[in-house]
Amino acid sequence: DAKTTQPPSMDCAEGRAANLPCNHSTISGNEYVYWYRQIHSQGPQYIIHGLKNNETNEMASLIITEDRKSSTLILPHATLRDTAVYYCIVRSNAGGTSYGKLTFGQGTILTVHP
Amino acid sequence: NAGVTQTPKFQVLKTGQSMTLQCAQDMNHEYMSWYRQDPGMGLRLIHYSVGAGITDQGEVPNGYNVSRSTTEDFPLRLLSAAPSQTSVYFCASFRGGNYGYTFGSGTRLTVV
Repeated sequence: DAKTTQPPSMDCAEGRAANLPCNHSTISGNEYVYWYRQIHSQGPQYIIHGLKNNETNEMASLIITEDRKSSTLILPHATLRDTAVYYCIVRSNAGGTSYGKLTFGQGTILTVHP
Repeated sequence: NAGVTQTPKFQVLKTGQSMTLQCAQDMNHEYMSWYRQDPGMGLRLIHYSVGAGITDQGEVPNGYNVSRSTTEDFPLRLLSAAPSQTSVYFCASFRGGNYGYTFGSGTRLTVV
């Protein structure tokens, strides 16, 4: 799976949009971009994923650049409960034994303040 | 509620003791994994399984054994606990395809 690079920490004011960047310049054609978050040592929680089109669900939006070398997770109206570590992960959905693996980096610590 | 259930939530072991961390899922997911997370670090893969009877090693498998006799259960065994195995352990399951992983709430293990 391709390596990802994220800033170690970011701040955001409550009610504002939080934009979390991720660089994945070595991503290959069949690899998806996944985002998870971990709130204070709870188990990681799936947020969203995408291949090349922008995606939106009830939690967030995912913007992937046209060359797919970077992406941005957007939390449109951040709340204090969104304070967490956010992980950007690139993996293939091609099946086989690779399904068993998620490779976590250090992630971005997002702090939402009042 | 459907999901991944880990037991126990907390455990203290003495060096050299053995124990089994339990993980069960009721979503009929084929894929299950065990991760450990040390303070200030991301999760590291210990072992994983792509179906009943099939397991493989992850990034940090030494000192741990797994087996997968049923789709629902994926226990992690510590053969002879060491202080270096003090960590938080997470179990996860995955349906396959374009879905996300579901993680349990973790087992906090201290080896003294």
